Amino acid sequence: DTAVSQTPKYLVTQMGNDKSIKCEQNLGHDTMYWYKQDSKKFLKIMFSYNNKELIINETVPNRFSPKSPDKAHLNLHINSLELGDSAVYFCASSQVGEGSEAFFGQGTRLTVV
Amino acid sequence: QQQVKQSPQSLIVQKGGISIINCAYENTAFDYFPWYQQFPGKGPALLIAIRPDVSEKKEGRFTISFNKSAKQFSLHIMDSQPGDSATYFCAAGRAQKLVFGQGTRLTINP
Repeated sequence: DTAVSQTPKYLVTQMGNDKSIKCEQNLGHDTMYWYKQDSKKFLKIMFSYNNKELIINETVPNRFSPKSPDKAHLNLHINSLELGDSAVYFCASSQVGEGSEAFFGQGTRLTVV
Repeated sequence: QQQVKQSPQSLIVQKGGISIINCAYENTAFDYFPWYQQFPGKGPALLIAIRPDVSEKKEGRFTISFNKSAKQFSLHIMDSQPGDSATYFCAAGRAQKLVFGQGTRLTINP
C-alpha cells in the first residue's frame, strides 16, 4: 500500500537511448511532481501537474517530457539520454492548497553510461 | 540562483546533544517552510513545517524557529539519537512549488 510508487528503482542505459520512469500515487492527491536529485544531493523541481494539467515547468531540456494520463499517474519520458542526466529522479504528490505536505516516492536512480 | 541557503553541509553531534541546522531564504513571497528528512535509498519525508505567521513550532524533539525579518529559519533536534542520522533539507514554498536547500548530512555518534 505504498503511497507514491515509482518504477523502475534503478535504470542503467547507454547514451542516446530513450527511457521512461513511471509514477503512481494512491493518496487521491490532485498535484504530482518530478524532482531531480544530483550527485551532491541537491533537489530541484522539474515539473508539476495539477489534475493532468502542467502548472510548473522549470528550465529543463525539452528532451524531458512528462505525461499525465490521469491524476494518479505522472510518467517521465527522456529522449536522447546524456551522461549529465545521471541522477536520482523523485516523483511526489500533494493535495491542492498552499502548504500541503508533499509525499515523495523512493526514487529512480538513473545511470547513463 | 540559490534561493534557499542551508548550513552546515555536514554536522556531527554526540548522542543526547542538540543538533542545529540553519536556512536563509531570499524571496519574501515564500509562505511555507518545511523540513524534510531523507535516509539513504529513500525519498525525502516531511518532518515538520511552519508558516511565517508564527515564530516557533515544536513537535516532540523537533523545533523550527522562524525569523521573518531576518529571512531565516532553523531546525533544532533535542536529545539527538543515532536514529536521527540522515540528510535534512529545508525548503521554502509558494503556490505548491518547493525550493530546497542544499541539505545537511547529520551524524549522531553513540
